[in-house]
Amino acid sequence: NAGVTQTPKFRVLKTGQSMTLLCAQDMNHEYMYWYRQDPGMGLRLIHYSVGEGTTAKGEVPDGYNVSRLKKQNFLLGLESAAPSQTSVYFCASSYLINMLQASEAFFGQGTRLTVV
Amino acid sequence: RKEVEQDPGPFNVPEGATVAFNCTYSNSASQSFFWYRQDCRKEPKLLMSVYSSGNEDGRFTAQLNRASQYISLLIRDSKLSDSATYLCVVNGGGGGNKLTFGTGTQLKVEL
Repeated sequence: NAGVTQTPKFRVLKTGQSMTLLCAQDMNHEYMYWYRQDPGMGLRLIHYSVGEGTTAKGEVPDGYNVSRLKKQNFLLGLESAAPSQTSVYFCASSYLINMLQASEAFFGQGTRLTVV
Repeated sequence: RKEVEQDPGPFNVPEGATVAFNCTYSNSASQSFFWYRQDCRKEPKLLMSVYSSGNEDGRFTAQLNRASQYISLLIRDSKLSDSATYLCVVNGGGGGNKLTFGTGTQLKVEL
């Protein structure tokens, strides 16, 4: 099993350009998450999804959009990139144990994005 | 109040020392708790889950205190290779069920 795969691993964008980060998981997990991590800071939740066709805002959603058209894929879009979006982006997935509990998160290897 | 709070550290300890980290959480309905390890901007990796009865994995012991809403991680006989950032993770509970990460505690083990 590949687990959680992020594409691309690295990217440099110019201010105002758009791009989409792809997260794919082959574990049939219900939950998927996008986080960003800036130097010296913890993981901050951008958006998450509790199932196919549903998305929800996290802690820092502004400037990002997401879609989950298929259960295995969670896309993160930057419509007009800004230097403040320079960061490392991590995707993760987890499964539902019961109505009250989610499993641990399984992470992709990260995407290092620089906006110049 | 943040949903999950950790002391950022750094904790600088000599090799062989015992070190403990605490993490507090605000949602009393939280049901799942984990400790993750993260090395220098790589992806976080699961260290251990935290169970109500407490659990141990080699040199690592995790405890949960629901009454005071905190979890702890104890590392005995610290190794140089234990140097990393340790992240506390809490499942929000309720309908949301999203996982919330603390900002992490940095550990540096020195000779």
